[in-house]
Amino acid sequence: KAGVTQTPRYLIKTRGQQVTLSCSPISGHRSVSWYQQTPGQGLQFLFEYFSETQRNKGNFPGRFSGRQFSNSRSEMNVSTLELGDSALYLCASSLNQGARAGELFFGEGSRLTVL
Amino acid sequence: AQSVTQLGSHVSVSEGALVLLRCNYSSSVPPYLFWYVQYPNQGLQLLLKYTSAATLVKGINGFEAEFKKSETSFHLTKPSAHMSDAAEYFCAVSDVTGGFKTIFGAGTRLFVKA
Repeated sequence: KAGVTQTPRYLIKTRGQQVTLSCSPISGHRSVSWYQQTPGQGLQFLFEYFSETQRNKGNFPGRFSGRQFSNSRSEMNVSTLELGDSALYLCASSLNQGARAGELFFGEGSRLTVL
Repeated sequence: AQSVTQLGSHVSVSEGALVLLRCNYSSSVPPYLFWYVQYPNQGLQLLLKYTSAATLVKGINGFEAEFKKSETSFHLTKPSAHMSDAAEYFCAVSDVTGGFKTIFGAGTRLFVKA
C-alpha cells in the first residue's frame, strides 16, 4: 500500500511568487491535513479537508489556501511568498475526519525555501 | 482550545538509560492523545495513542505512556535507550472542541550518547 506522497520534495522561490504543493493520500483515506513545520514554531496546523470540504482551519493569513479533489488528492497554495514562509510543509492523511481517535499518516514533506 | 506543552526542547541520555519525555495537555473535554516520532528528513510516524481505554498505553519500539488526568500529563517513557531512538518526538492532542484537528507540541529532540 503506497504511503502519502508529496510533491515537489524541494523547491526554491523568491519573495512575491506563489507556490502550489501537492499531496496524494493513502488509498481510501478521505481526510487530508496540512501542517507547516519550522524550527522556531514547531508544527502549526494549516487546514484539514474531508470529502472536498474544508473542515478545520488554523491561524494563517488568507495567502494560504487549499483544496481537495474528488479523488482525495489535495493541494495547498501560498501566494505572495514572504521569507517567513520558508518551512517544511507536511501533509497527513487519515481514514476519517480529524483523526477521530485515529492516526495521521504523514508524507515526507515539501521543503520550501523563499529567497 | 486544546494545547500541548512539551517540557524540554532537548533531552540527552546515555545508551541503556531511561528515557522520559514530558508532555502536559490542556483540554476541557476528554482528549485523544498521541506521541509521534520524526527521524531526519522524514515525516512523522505514530508511536502510540490514548483513546480513553487503558491509561497505560504501549507503543512501538518499546515506548509507553501513561495518561494522568489529575496531572493533565501524558509522559513518554522507555526503560532502556538505544542509539536508534535518537529523533524528535512530538506530543499531540485532539478533541471535539477543536473539531478533532490534531494539535502538536513544539517537540523534544532526543540525543542518545554511546
